[in-house]
Amino acid sequence: DVKVTQSSRYLVKRTGEKVFLECVQDMDHENMFWYRQDPGLGLRLIYFSYDVKMKEKGDIPEGYSVSREKKERFSLILESASTNQTSMYLCASSFWGGGDGYTFGSGTRLTVV
Amino acid sequence: AQTVTQSQPEMSVQEAETVTLSCTYDTSESNYYLFWYKQPPSRQMILVIRQEAYKQQNATENRFSVNFQKAAKSFSLKISDSQLGDTAMYFCAFMKLTGNTPLVFGKGTRLSVIA
Repeated sequence: DVKVTQSSRYLVKRTGEKVFLECVQDMDHENMFWYRQDPGLGLRLIYFSYDVKMKEKGDIPEGYSVSREKKERFSLILESASTNQTSMYLCASSFWGGGDGYTFGSGTRLTVV
Repeated sequence: AQTVTQSQPEMSVQEAETVTLSCTYDTSESNYYLFWYKQPPSRQMILVIRQEAYKQQNATENRFSVNFQKAAKSFSLKISDSQLGDTAMYFCAFMKLTGNTPLVFGKGTRLSVIA
């Protein structure tokens, strides 16, 4: 069964901490994405990557960075976590073009206290 | 920029009944994909149905079908014979056909199926 795996289902971090959210896919997909999901706001794109070491800003990149050193792994980094980054984070992947749709991970619910 | 609007934040339907979720979008593109995704309480996003804009025929997947009106930029999802397992958030999404651009999502509709 093909998968996108997010390393943590729930995470609690303190304000100011550096936070790493990890995502791994086993489908040899070129594209990987990080979305943030908040009630009433839907899914908003933070960053995406279409190749190793390549990244593109999404709609809300402020306060975040990403790393893609290997094709199967895409990391989201919160350089200095803040309470307004408390949210659900969803990772997804797709083949180039994305016309077949995305495969999503099961999400990481991050709470910053 | 493309936008996707889901005008119904919440809906409910009796088990075995039919329900229609609305979605409209704004784009200047002529070729694109449209999707409906389901997110049950488990949080796992699942692709429900996909429509290619250049195809006239509405997509169907078992109890799920769409009413795609290209001129009106409307893409509604009909769920027939609703089941308790259909209870979920439903997201409409848009993607340009050309290039490698990300999905743009609507804000979602929370559907509750009542026994």
